[in-house]
Amino acid sequence: NAGVTQTPKFRVLKTGQSMTLLCAQDMNHEYMYWYRQDPGMGLRLIHYSVGEGTTAKGEVPDGYNVSRLKKQNFLLGLESAAPSQTSVYFCASSPWDRANNEQFFGPGTRLTVL
Amino acid sequence: DAKTTQPPSMDCAEGRAANLPCNHSTISGNEYVYWYRQIHSQGPQYIIHGLKNNETNEMASLIITEDRKSSTLILPHATLRDTAVYYCIVRYDNNDMRFGAGTRLTVKP
Repeated sequence: NAGVTQTPKFRVLKTGQSMTLLCAQDMNHEYMYWYRQDPGMGLRLIHYSVGEGTTAKGEVPDGYNVSRLKKQNFLLGLESAAPSQTSVYFCASSPWDRANNEQFFGPGTRLTVL
Repeated sequence: DAKTTQPPSMDCAEGRAANLPCNHSTISGNEYVYWYRQIHSQGPQYIIHGLKNNETNEMASLIITEDRKSSTLILPHATLRDTAVYYCIVRYDNNDMRFGAGTRLTVKP
């Protein structure tokens, strides 16, 4: 099993450009998440999904949109990139189990907005 | 804001036990305590979690005080590969977990 994969690994954008980050998981997990991590800080939740066709806002959702059209994929979109969105983006997935919500993380996407 | 408080950094000698504290004084009765770690810039890795009782797995032990207001992660025999940032997290509803700044553990030879 590949676990959680993210595409691309690195990307440089100019201010105002758009892009989509792809997250895929092969563990049949119900939940998927997008986080961002700024230098020297912990992860902050952007959006998450509790199942196919559903999404919800996290701690820092502004400037991002997401879609979960298939259970195994979770897309993160930036419609008009800003320098403040320069960060490392992590995707994660987890099963639904109230007593055990271990999240499995991808390797991250390093995004720079000039 | 994160619901947990951790020291920003700690050192530990290789082969010794590493004890990482976490304060979560506002935890509610049905919230779990999770621990993750992040090595370099990799994705975080799950370590252990608990609700009320102490827990142990192949990686670590988790000691939760009786009043649940604090906990300690114990790495029984720290190695150089355990050098990482360790995050103590209290799980909100809907799986909204808030990562704080964590504790940077440095294991020294």
